[in-house]
Amino acid sequence: GESVGLHLPTLSVQEGDNSIINCAYSNSASDYFIWYKQESGKGPQFIIDIRSNMDKRQGQRVTVLLNKTVKHLSLQIAATQPGDSAVYFCAENRGRGGSNYKLTFGKGTLLTVNP
Amino acid sequence: DGGITQSPKYLFRKEGQNVTLSCEQNLNHDAMYWYRQDPGQGLRLIYYSQIVNDFQKGDIAEGYSVSREKKESFPLTVTSAQKNPTAFYLCASSSPGTGPNTEAFFGQGTRLTVV
Repeated sequence: GESVGLHLPTLSVQEGDNSIINCAYSNSASDYFIWYKQESGKGPQFIIDIRSNMDKRQGQRVTVLLNKTVKHLSLQIAATQPGDSAVYFCAENRGRGGSNYKLTFGKGTLLTVNP
Repeated sequence: DGGITQSPKYLFRKEGQNVTLSCEQNLNHDAMYWYRQDPGQGLRLIYYSQIVNDFQKGDIAEGYSVSREKKESFPLTVTSAQKNPTAFYLCASSSPGTGPNTEAFFGQGTRLTVV
């Protein structure tokens, strides 16, 4: 089965609310995690990343939290906007960097923002 | 502008035909990847290449072939052995040589349909 999975396949929020998208991973050796946003018919776009030696990282309107104890990753989007509507994927790097770099993706969560 | 270019955007294949999907990058990245995405699914790794003239099988390599003769190019051939080729194909590149934790950049995808 998938090593990286999501608790909620769909999430619907009102414009202006905060969104939280969750992701579980099973490989405790994974040392790097990325959140991607994919709009319909397009390739994934990088949102934010986090290394395993961190538990929180903030970007513009987004925050990623990493809980290594329970192998859980979350993406928080503040003041969600209609343009945030997309599928969000978490990905883990199972390699140890360098020549073993290889991302494994979860199935994704569809975020719908209602005006 | 630097980036990854996939072509064509849409491709139709007849039963029993081989088709080749193009992926070119001008980011000077060492590593390149091919993923397959089915509706409502995450990305599954087909093949990846960490350096010119070298490539590795991913999780679903059967029925596909690749080459990496140039750093900029990583074409994917979908052979007649691939029994269910209809999918969205995504190419990505990264530069793990600059550090172990760098994100992958994606192209805009090729949608392949068997007719």
